[in-house]
Amino acid sequence: KQEVTQIPAALSVPEGENLVLNCSFTDSAIYNLQWFRQDPGKGLTSLLLIQSSQREQTSGRLNASLDKSSGRSTLYIAASQPGDSATYLCAVSGAGNMLTFGGGTRLMVKP
Amino acid sequence: DTGVSQNPRHKITKRGQNVTFRCDPISEHNRLYWYRQTLGQGPEFLTYFQNEAQLEKSRLLSDRFSAERPKGSFSTLEIQRTEQGDSAMYLCASSSKVTSSTDTQYFGPGTRLTVL
Repeated sequence: KQEVTQIPAALSVPEGENLVLNCSFTDSAIYNLQWFRQDPGKGLTSLLLIQSSQREQTSGRLNASLDKSSGRSTLYIAASQPGDSATYLCAVSGAGNMLTFGGGTRLMVKP
Repeated sequence: DTGVSQNPRHKITKRGQNVTFRCDPISEHNRLYWYRQTLGQGPEFLTYFQNEAQLEKSRLLSDRFSAERPKGSFSTLEIQRTEQGDSAMYLCASSSKVTSSTDTQYFGPGTRLTVL
């Protein structure tokens, strides 16, 4: 059974810092890995999707990497802003494209 | 394209009552998923449809839960004889391998269920 773990569970940083969120998964037989953002009480917004054959994806200040063989992914956020405050969720896709999620990292960026 | 919509957004019910939620996926998407999220946790997969066929159900989906997707368009999730442990956010997502090679799942805003 696939298990996804995210570290740290919570993170508080001052505005402007670069930061890294970590995600690990136990079964390397995945189709893709997605990073999502969730604001309190809201649904999920897809940030980046990395196919199993890819190593990284970039969108603006976000960069996600994937090391499938070691079961790890990182989300790098450059020059963090207060508007980046949210919960960040990592999810891996298996057969049928069903997603298995980690518990999330709650990020607070202080002005 | 207005994205995935879910109704109602909030539902408060008494234990033992039945509730039904609706999800309208993005119009050209043939795949539809239901997930459940409890406070402080990541979402957990419940069930998956490709067109009108329900192809996968999680063990989390007890016999009190039933989901349908008639005609492969909108979907409903019904919970019978609700229990306090059913209190959660119920999220719907849709995707399409036909229109998107990445098969990215797009999520709706969720329905928050509170069972008193």
